[in-house]
Amino acid sequence: DQQVKQNSPSLSVQEGRISILNCDYTNSMFDYFLWYKKYPAEGPTFLISISSIKDKNEDGRFTVFLNKSAKHLSLHIVPSQPGDSAVYFCAARVATNKLIFGTGTLLAVQP
Amino acid sequence: GAVVSQHPSWVICKSGTSVKIECRSLDFQATTMFWYRQFPKQSLMLMATSNEGSKATYEQGVEKDKFLINHASLTLSTLTVTSAHPEDSSFYICSARGYRDFTDTQYFGPGTRLTVL
Repeated sequence: DQQVKQNSPSLSVQEGRISILNCDYTNSMFDYFLWYKKYPAEGPTFLISISSIKDKNEDGRFTVFLNKSAKHLSLHIVPSQPGDSAVYFCAARVATNKLIFGTGTLLAVQP
Repeated sequence: GAVVSQHPSWVICKSGTSVKIECRSLDFQATTMFWYRQFPKQSLMLMATSNEGSKATYEQGVEKDKFLINHASLTLSTLTVTSAHPEDSSFYICSARGYRDFTDTQYFGPGTRLTVL
C-alpha cells in the first residue's frame, strides 16, 4: 500500500520556466511533509518542508503548497535551472518521526 | 548545514560474509538515526529506526537478525549485514534526525552501494 504517491515518474522543463512536481498521500495522520532532491548514488538532500497546519511555505525559488482536503502537495521551482535536474522525492512524516517516501520524479531542466 | 557521513561508500563482498556500514553525524548529536535501502528506480524504504542506547525498531518484513543495528553513541550508528547474499545487494542510506530553522527533519548520508557476489 503506497501511502505517498508521485504519479509522474519524469518531468522535462525549459530553463527559466516553472517546474511543478506533484505528490498525493492517503494518510490524514501525516503531520509534516518534506521534499528532497537526490542525485544518483548519493543520499537525498533536504529542500523544503511544510507543516500540516499550513498551506504554503516558500524558500527562495522553492515553494511548497499543501491542499489537505485533496491530500495533495506540490513543489514549485521558479525559475528552473539546469542544476535543478535530479530526482525529487516527497516524504510524509508520521508522529513517530518516520518518513514515508514517494517513488520520486525525475526532473530534467533543458538549457 | 548538518552533515552525515557513511563509510564505506561502496563495498563488494562474497556471499556468506558480513559487512558493516557506519553512519556518523559530523556536526551535531543525533539521538535517532534511520536506515533505508533503495533498489534501482524505486523509492527509499525504511528498514529500521536506531535510537542511541536502546534497541533498534525494525519495520515489518525486515529481519533483525540479518540486519544488525548498533547505535552506541550520539554520533555513530552501524548497520551490519550478516551472512550477505546476492539479494541483499542494494543502496543503503542512513539519516540522522536533526533540526534546521526549528524544523525537525532528517539529514541523509551519501549512501553505501553493497554488491554481494
